[in-house]
Formats: sequence, C-alpha cells, structure tokens
Amino acid sequence: DQQVKQNSPSLSVQEGRISILNCDYTNSMFDYFLWYKKYPAEGPTFLISISSIKDKNEDGRFTVFLNKSAKHLSLHIVPSQPGDSAVYFCAATDAGGTSYGKLTFGQGTILTVHP
Amino acid sequence: NAGVTQTPKFQVLKTGQSMTLQCAQDMNHEYMSWYRQDPGMGLRLIHYSVGAGITDQGEVPNGYNVSRSTTEDFPLRLLSAAPSQTSVYFCASSYEGLAGGPAAGELFFGEGSRLTVL
Repeated sequence: DQQVKQNSPSLSVQEGRISILNCDYTNSMFDYFLWYKKYPAEGPTFLISISSIKDKNEDGRFTVFLNKSAKHLSLHIVPSQPGDSAVYFCAATDAGGTSYGKLTFGQGTILTVHP
Repeated sequence: NAGVTQTPKFQVLKTGQSMTLQCAQDMNHEYMSWYRQDPGMGLRLIHYSVGAGITDQGEVPNGYNVSRSTTEDFPLRLLSAAPSQTSVYFCASSYEGLAGGPAAGELFFGEGSRLTVL
C-alpha cells in the first residue's frame, strides 16, 4: 500500500512559467515532509522540507505548501528553468524531523522544462 | 568532499550468486540506510542503522543482510541473488537534527549501484 503517492508521472512546462508538483499521503502519523531532486545517474539530493506545524516553506524559487486536512502537499517552482528538468520525489517521515534515515517516498514525477 | 561513496557502480550477477554492495560515508553521520529504486515504485527502504552495531529492517528486507561495525561503513549483502533484485541501489546517511529544524531528516545519497541479476 503506497502511503505517499505522486499521481502525475510526468509534467512538462515552459521556461519561465510555474511548475507545480503534487503529492498525497495517507498516513496521518507523518509529521515531516521533504522533496528530493534526482538527475540521471546521480543520487537524489535534498531540495526543501516542511514540518507539519507549518503550511508553507520557501527557499528561493522553491516553495512547498502543506494542507494537512487534505493530506496533500505541493512543490512550486517559480520561475522554472531548463536546469530544473529532473525527477522529483516527495518523501515523508513520522519521526519528528529526525527520520533516523527512514523516509517513505512517492513514485516520483519527471519534470521537463522546455526553453 | 567524498560524502557517501558506493561501490561498485555496476554489477551483473547470475541467479543464486551472492555479493556485497559497499557504502562508506565520511561525514560522521549517525544514521545510514539502503534504498532500492524501481520504475513506478519510487525508493523503498531495505535496511537502516541508527548507529554502529544497531540495524533494523525497512519495507523490503527479504533477501538482504546488513551489518554496521563502524560509523563509516554500511555494506549490503545479497545472499542468493534473484532476478527480482535487479534494481538501482542507493545508500544514504543522515544526522540527528533539531526536530523541525533546517534540514532535519535530510538524507545524503550516494550515486547508486545498478545491479542486474540474470
């Protein structure tokens, strides 16, 4: 049973526009959420995170929104750049942010940003 | 900075063979974990360790063994390889951050080891 779901396998956007990647979760014990970015032949790299006590976190062009009642989070990238083209994974943990190395990942969304 | 180093990067095995995927980190992180990535499945946790001498199972542990004799190393052993273990394997390390603090829970991943079992 997939506890973290990314229902869009792929997303294509024009350079300069907004990219919105979505993620849903079913486990109400999750209290910390992260987004990772992965380029081909590389390991995932951390992008941004949010605690369940917040509903928004920003870092430059990246903003994550959390809607706890809907068990939904989204990653906004504004403006999108061709270098943002990668696979984006949503992840969650129920360990209060420490995670102990245990994250539950979604299936990933392939983002393609066209020049 | 080396970060998390995995070897080998590529390996082809025959069904029934055994092998060890090596993982080493030089960041003095307490926590280490192994994930496998399969198409349409995302990354799934195999085993993890919260410190030297302490390991536990993740979501998909069957067919794999781990040990953690030092803080730096966390090898993953395939006991008798099966075609279902064809995958890309990622090792990760992390540290205990302040709950809810910046980068708490962040995992640092290696570049991956692509394993094919024939």
